Parts: sequence; C-alpha cells; structure tokens
Amino acid sequence: AQSVTQLGSHVSVSEGALVLLRCNYSSSVPPYLFWYVQYPNQGLQLLLKYTSAATLVKGINGFEAEFKKSETSFHLTKPSAHMSDAAEYFCAVSKSPGTYKYIFGTGTRLKVLA
Amino acid sequence: DTGVSQNPRHKITKRGQNVTFRCDPISEHNRLYWYRQTLGQGPEFLTYFQNEAQLEKSRLLSDRFSAERPKGSFSTLEIQRTEQGDSAMYLCASSSSTSGGETQYFGPGTRLLVL
Repeated sequence: AQSVTQLGSHVSVSEGALVLLRCNYSSSVPPYLFWYVQYPNQGLQLLLKYTSAATLVKGINGFEAEFKKSETSFHLTKPSAHMSDAAEYFCAVSKSPGTYKYIFGTGTRLKVLA
Repeated sequence: DTGVSQNPRHKITKRGQNVTFRCDPISEHNRLYWYRQTLGQGPEFLTYFQNEAQLEKSRLLSDRFSAERPKGSFSTLEIQRTEQGDSAMYLCASSSSTSGGETQYFGPGTRLLVL
C-alpha cells in the first residue's frame, strides 16, 4: 500500500533562510510524487511534480525537490524563504498506472519569521 | 481554462439535514475526484470518475454519501442525514487522461459545518 510521511507538522524559518520540508513515501511501484501548497481557506495549488523524468524537479515560486529512490524521499527546498511562503504544504503520491488517486501526507505548516 | 469551481464555498447545516455540493471541472478534463479534508489533516480520497463512470469509491464514503457525474461534466456530492463528523472541507479535482493525466487541479473547496 502507498503512504506518505511528512516529518514536522510545523516548521519555522527566518525570512531569507533555507526552507526544507521533508517527505518520505512508500510505494510498491514507481510512483508519481507531488507537492501542493494550500493557503488558508483555499484549495491546493500544484508546486511541482515528479513523473520519472529528471530526479531534480523545479517548480513555481523558486521551489524544487529531489527524488531519491534509495532514500524513498522527495524533500521540498527553497534557498531563501519569503514571507509569502507561509502556508501549509502537502506531499502526495499516486500510482502509475491506475486511477491516479492521491495519497496525501498530513501536511507541514510553514511559518516565516521576519 | 477557468479552473475548477465548486459551489457553494461554505455551507452550514443542522444535523440530520441533506446537503449537496457541486463541482465544475476544467472543461476538457475527463477525470474528476472528490476528497475530504478535516482540520489539521491532508485530503483523503473519496471517489473518482472517468467521464460519467464512477470507477472507485473509498471506504470513507458511507451509504449516506452519493456522488454523480451524469453527463461526464459537472459532478455533485450529496450527504444525507448529516452528522457532526461530516464537518470538513470537501475538495474536487480534475485531470485529463490524454495529457498529464497524473496531475490533478483542485478547486477552492466547499467547507461544511454541521451543527
């Protein structure tokens, strides 16, 4: 069965500091992996996705993530945090081929300190 | 491309009442998903349509829940005899099987509060 673990339900960083949000997955087949961001009372916006092409994936707003099969990880990073990055971030996995339904992690709330 | 829309955005109801939510996917998307998100949790899969066919239902979808997509376009999610535990954000997403079918685009959600 597929699952996703996000370590750290809350992460605080200073403005301008490195952002690192952790995601580990388990999947019996090659997965598709995603990071979404959710602002208060809004839906989810796609940040980036891994679909078995390049292992280093660049997304919107300066975020990127690296797929590491040996570590079953797909951590999200951004070199320099901005106040507008404060939001909740969700990692998700889906199975290919299949229904492509997502299994989400429990989310990490990012706080950016001035 | 106007994105996925959901109506209403907010719904307050009394326990025991029925509620219905609507989702309009991106127009060329043939796949449609419903998820439920409770406070402090990630979204959980409820059900999935390809065109008008409901191909998968989660065990979370009790007999009180029913979803339809009659013409393969918009979808409705009905909850009968609502319970306080149904209070959550209900998210709809859509994708296209012909291009990037693995990527789902989410609507803004319908937040349900059952009193």
